[in-house]
Amino acid sequence: QKEVEQNSGPLSVPEGAIASLNCTYSDRGSQSFFWYRQYSGKSPELIMFIYSNGDKEDGRFTAQLNKASQYVSLLIRDSQPSDSATYLCAVGDAGGTSYGKLTFGQGTILTVHP
Amino acid sequence: DAMVIQNPRYQVTQFGKPVTLSCSQTLNHNVMYWYQQKSSQAPKLLFHYYDKDFNNEADTPDNFQSRRPNTSFCFLDIRSPGLGDAAMYLCATSRLGGAFFGQGTRLTVV
Repeated sequence: QKEVEQNSGPLSVPEGAIASLNCTYSDRGSQSFFWYRQYSGKSPELIMFIYSNGDKEDGRFTAQLNKASQYVSLLIRDSQPSDSATYLCAVGDAGGTSYGKLTFGQGTILTVHP
Repeated sequence: DAMVIQNPRYQVTQFGKPVTLSCSQTLNHNVMYWYQQKSSQAPKLLFHYYDKDFNNEADTPDNFQSRRPNTSFCFLDIRSPGLGDAAMYLCATSRLGGAFFGQGTRLTVV
């Protein structure tokens, strides 16, 4: 059973701070790693993806991947109240027979307070 | 413009009455997924297609079926909805791993 675990939260940070979200996964064969943002009552929105070890930056977001530790994280710099949402980590097995199948973590609720 | 479109946004059905949810995409992606998401839980994969190759998750109830008549359209059929099937149903497409979701269909069973 492939598992994806996220820090339970909820996480509360002040506006302008760095929010750090963490995720671990059980399947060493995982190939691709994604972060989704989900506002209440809405569908998940893809915000970052990473395939290789190291850091990947996109605006205020940085994804970090360490395959040896089976760990992926998301940093949000200069957090804004509009960043308040549930953040879902997803792990993919693209390249296997179940092409591109994603397994999601349970999500971390982030609240950014003014 | 919306690229993955689900209809309807909200569906109310009676206990045991068959219901069909639909999804269409304009991305020409070859992978399509159906996920079920209950309140405060992770999305749970029900099915996925790679082109017409159908993949059923082992723990997807027999009550759920799916059809993909062509690249653009995919349907989720719930043959006899129970109260436990009330959830958000999410359709997504993918070409190289990352899934792009439609806006979801919120299913209520009364």
